[in-house]
Amino acid sequence: AQSVTQLGSHVSVSEGALVLLRCNYSSSVPPYLFWYVQYPNQGLQLLLKYTSAATLVKGINGFEAEFKKSETSFHLTKPSAHMSDAAEYFCAVSRSITGGGNKLTFGTGTQLKVEL
Amino acid sequence: DARVTQTPRHKVTEMGQEVTMRCQPILGHNTVFWYRQTMMQGLELLAYFRNRAPLDDSGMPKDRFSAEMPDATLATLKIQPSEPRDSAVYFCASGFGTSTGELFFGEGSRLTVL
Repeated sequence: AQSVTQLGSHVSVSEGALVLLRCNYSSSVPPYLFWYVQYPNQGLQLLLKYTSAATLVKGINGFEAEFKKSETSFHLTKPSAHMSDAAEYFCAVSRSITGGGNKLTFGTGTQLKVEL
Repeated sequence: DARVTQTPRHKVTEMGQEVTMRCQPILGHNTVFWYRQTMMQGLELLAYFRNRAPLDDSGMPKDRFSAEMPDATLATLKIQPSEPRDSAVYFCASGFGTSTGELFFGEGSRLTVL
């Protein structure tokens, strides 16, 4: 079964510091991996996705993630945190289901706090 | 600006009452998902439709929950009777149904059952 594990339910960084949010996956086949962001009282929106093309994936708002097969990881980074990055971040893996199509299985989320 | 629309945004009801949540997926999307979000369980997949047919509702308590897509522009999630443990934010998401495709989420329906 395909799944993702997010290490650290809460991460706090200073404004301007590096953001690193960790995600490890478990999959018996090459996975399709996603990072979503959820701002307070809103739905999730896609930050970036890995679909077996380039291993370094760039997303919106300056975020990027690197797929590392040897480490089964897909960590999310941003060189310099901004106050507006404070949100909850979810890693997800896509898997096919009977009948066609796919569904996303989400990690437990990491709440990012950005301090002055 | 295409978006997934969910109603109601907030609902407070008493235990035992019926609750219906509605979702209008983005036009042209052929997959619709219902997720439930709580502090304790995180995001749980409740039901999944492809071309309006239910494909996976294994995450849904069958005795009280039901999900339908009467047409391509409307998905419904019904709870009858509701219980306090159903209090959560319910999200609808739609997509094109490909393994590499993203999901577009609505803003959620926050349900409180007293």
